[in-house]
Amino acid sequence: EPEVTQTPSHQVTQMGQEVILRCVPISNHLYFYWYRQILGQKVEFLVSFYNNEISEKSEIFDDQFSVERPDGSNFTLKIRSTKLEDSAMYFCASTLSVTGELFFGEGSRLTVL
Amino acid sequence: GEDVEQSLFLSVREGDSSVINCTYTDSSSTYLYWYKQEPGAGLQLLTYIFSNMDMKQDQRLTVLLNKKDKHLSLRIADTQTGDSAIYFCAETDPMDTGRRALTFGSGTRLQVQP
Repeated sequence: EPEVTQTPSHQVTQMGQEVILRCVPISNHLYFYWYRQILGQKVEFLVSFYNNEISEKSEIFDDQFSVERPDGSNFTLKIRSTKLEDSAMYFCASTLSVTGELFFGEGSRLTVL
Repeated sequence: GEDVEQSLFLSVREGDSSVINCTYTDSSSTYLYWYKQEPGAGLQLLTYIFSNMDMKQDQRLTVLLNKKDKHLSLRIADTQTGDSAIYFCAETDPMDTGRRALTFGSGTRLQVQP
């Protein structure tokens, strides 16, 4: 069964460092998302991406965040200068259509020290 | 903005039924979902219901929707130890271009005791 894969599964970084989280969505999907879950809190929407551009973003997705689809398979989330409060599990998701099932990856845990 | 609320914890005995409840605020929610998250894993879609439905049954899972009260529930019949996980309620209005993204509740941790 096709699945969304994310790397790394866990990354530890120092405050102020840049981090890139990588995702390989399901190959024929068209809509891509990043969500995050701070430990013990809700899953929060960050950004959605369609047709090579951001289609929707939340207040959390400020200038420190960026997304890119550098080739036909990868979808990346970059945090330019990490803060302690960026520590969270980051989930990538993809879907074929906006009304279709959203498939989530297993998440990348980011720990900022 | 949109909000989704769930109780945090539910404990049941194996073989009993579990009922996990969720309330939401946005009356324009058209798709309502239940996701399951096992420890260390991603979010797995269990089932969903459209807002024009009152009930949906899928094997051991029954979803009930009360649109008037904006209340959604997930009933798991004959709960097994493998059902122990966190269950998230989520909603969206995909036709609203401003908010196609899912809004999640905080999750209900289901503990099934043998």
